[in-house]
Amino acid sequence: GENVEQHPSTLSVQEGDSAVIKCTYSDSASNYFPWYKQELGKRPQLIIDIRSNVGEKKDQRIAVTLNKTAKHFSLHITETQPEDSAVYFCAASRTSSNTGKLIFGQGTTLQVKP
Amino acid sequence: DTAVSQTPKYLVTQMGNDKSIKCEQNLGHDTMYWYKQDSKKFLKIMFSYNNKELIINETVPNRFSPKSPDKAHLNLHINSLELGDSAVYFCASSQGVNVEQYFGPGTRLTVT
Repeated sequence: GENVEQHPSTLSVQEGDSAVIKCTYSDSASNYFPWYKQELGKRPQLIIDIRSNVGEKKDQRIAVTLNKTAKHFSLHITETQPEDSAVYFCAASRTSSNTGKLIFGQGTTLQVKP
Repeated sequence: DTAVSQTPKYLVTQMGNDKSIKCEQNLGHDTMYWYKQDSKKFLKIMFSYNNKELIINETVPNRFSPKSPDKAHLNLHINSLELGDSAVYFCASSQGVNVEQYFGPGTRLTVT
């Protein structure tokens, strides 16, 4: 069935370092890949998304790369800051289903140490 | 304020009770969702409505019944609550599908 595997489950970096979170999906028909950030006690919020017609997308310190052949995608955060500390979720869906059903990864708890 | 809102924010109840969670969005979106986030933070879709029509109905016990009286509201009624129902329930909305979903603040349900 549909599955999204996310690694690592926890990640601790020093302020200013880069952080990389990786996800692998099982449904080869998936073509929409959003990333959500959830701060402690708060709601998930979209930070970046990518569709299968592009291989990379960047927004300031955040970038996402997609490898459709290998069925994996990654989130890259550069120059990390303490406010980047949160749980990050990757997700995948197939637009052909026309339901918007997102399959989420297990989440990565990122801690940025000042 | 334009947003997705949920009530109540916290709900503590005993096993066997019936409870409801309400969700409202004033973003003008046509699609609404219910998610369950368990103690390990795993987020799982439960239901989705598009223009009041049920379009996602995951493998959820039939004690859970969603209801969408109009495009701006999606409620979740839970019968015969069990300990395993304890979780944070998030409502979300989007304009169309496979676009950004806007989440509500969540309802933390604790069943004792």
